Amino acid sequence: DVKVTQSSRYLVKRTGEKVFLECVQDMDHENMFWYRQDPGLGLRLIYFSYDVKMKEKGDIPEGYSVSREKKERFSLILESASTNQTSMYLCASRRTGEYGYTFGSGTRLTVV
Amino acid sequence: EDQVTQSPEALRLQEGESSSLNCSYTVSGLRGLFWYRQDPGKGPEFLFTLYSAGEEKEKERLKATLTKKESFLHITAPKPEDSATYLCAVQGGTNAGKSTFGDGTTLTVKP
Repeated sequence: DVKVTQSSRYLVKRTGEKVFLECVQDMDHENMFWYRQDPGLGLRLIYFSYDVKMKEKGDIPEGYSVSREKKERFSLILESASTNQTSMYLCASRRTGEYGYTFGSGTRLTVV
Repeated sequence: EDQVTQSPEALRLQEGESSSLNCSYTVSGLRGLFWYRQDPGKGPEFLFTLYSAGEEKEKERLKATLTKKESFLHITAPKPEDSATYLCAVQGGTNAGKSTFGDGTTLTVKP
């Protein structure tokens, strides 16, 4: 069964901490995405990557960065966590030429 | 800019009571329209892709249809296990491979 695995289901971090969210997919997909999901705001794209070492800003990249050193792994970095980054973070991947995403189970991050 | 609007926000049905969820969209050069199911606390699960007006896809009690301006997810004789949030998303030709999502419809099916 193909999978997108997010390293943590729940995280609690303090304001100002540097936070790493990890995502690994085993489907050899070229494209990977990071979204955040908030009540009333839906899913909003933070960053995406269409190849190793490549990255593109999404709609809300401020306060975030990403890393894609290997094809299967896409990391989201919160440089200095703030309370307004408390959210559900969803990683997704897809194969080039196909359009539906495979999502991970999500990481619920709380910044206190 | 691509836009997706889903209605209603919430829908409560009795078991066996059929209904439809709506997804209205504007997109430049539709590459695909997608339906996902999301259970509480989990990531969305892919259901269907529709590529062109007139296309229909079915899976168990779900049937998705597509016109040039909207898509419907028809639920026939729903069961309590169909309770979830259903998300609609589009990908346009100018969007570099990223999808734009609607806010979802939360379906509750009572036994």
